[in-house]
Amino acid sequence: GAGVSQSPRYKVAKRGQDVALRCDPISGHVSLFWYQQALGQGPEFLTYFQNEAQLDKSGLPSDRFFAERPEGSVSTLKIQRTQQEDSAVYLCASLGYSNEQFFGPGTRLTVL
Amino acid sequence: AQSVSQHNHHVILSEAASLELGCNYSYGGTVNLFWYVQYPGQHLQLLLKYFSGDPLVKGIKGFEAEFIKSKFSFNLRKPSVQWSDTAEYFCAVSPGYSSASKIIFGSGTRLSIRP
Repeated sequence: GAGVSQSPRYKVAKRGQDVALRCDPISGHVSLFWYQQALGQGPEFLTYFQNEAQLDKSGLPSDRFFAERPEGSVSTLKIQRTQQEDSAVYLCASLGYSNEQFFGPGTRLTVL
Repeated sequence: AQSVSQHNHHVILSEAASLELGCNYSYGGTVNLFWYVQYPGQHLQLLLKYFSGDPLVKGIKGFEAEFIKSKFSFNLRKPSVQWSDTAEYFCAVSPGYSSASKIIFGSGTRLSIRP
């Protein structure tokens, strides 16, 4: 079966541009997570959805970051007015029935 | 706040050597513990996990980890490494009161195996 997919895989943005990153979780997975992984670091939690409800957004670094999952499946992470410090790999994960988070390949965002 | 410490940033071993990667966490309550691996060019994959029960956990590809509650540790071991084990290894923890909890990751250990 298909795993978690993310698009685009690579995104280059000029500082100040808005970007939207998409995550398609494994079909039927209720819980979805977003993480940010800076170069040389481990992933850091951003936000968590259960179905369409955003239950935890404590990790979002600023109000420029916004995530949604309107129909409880596909999720979009939006970053407004991108800054250079936003450059990172953005990972999406969905939670399986074995309580394992399955990770997607990530979107590598480079802000120039 | 919860945190995870991985003692080694980069480990270099020869094939057939034994491996132990250290991991300590700070969290006072019940925890779920994980080791994830990221092979070059691939996404994060679960190597093994501990939720409860036997503190010695066996994972894929001959890896195992031991949960020592008194030491807040969850070290990863493999008796004989292979060149294909070259990867980045992440120790991680999540609160044990909920299965759907955020995971706190360590900063990772890069493992390089000399053929």
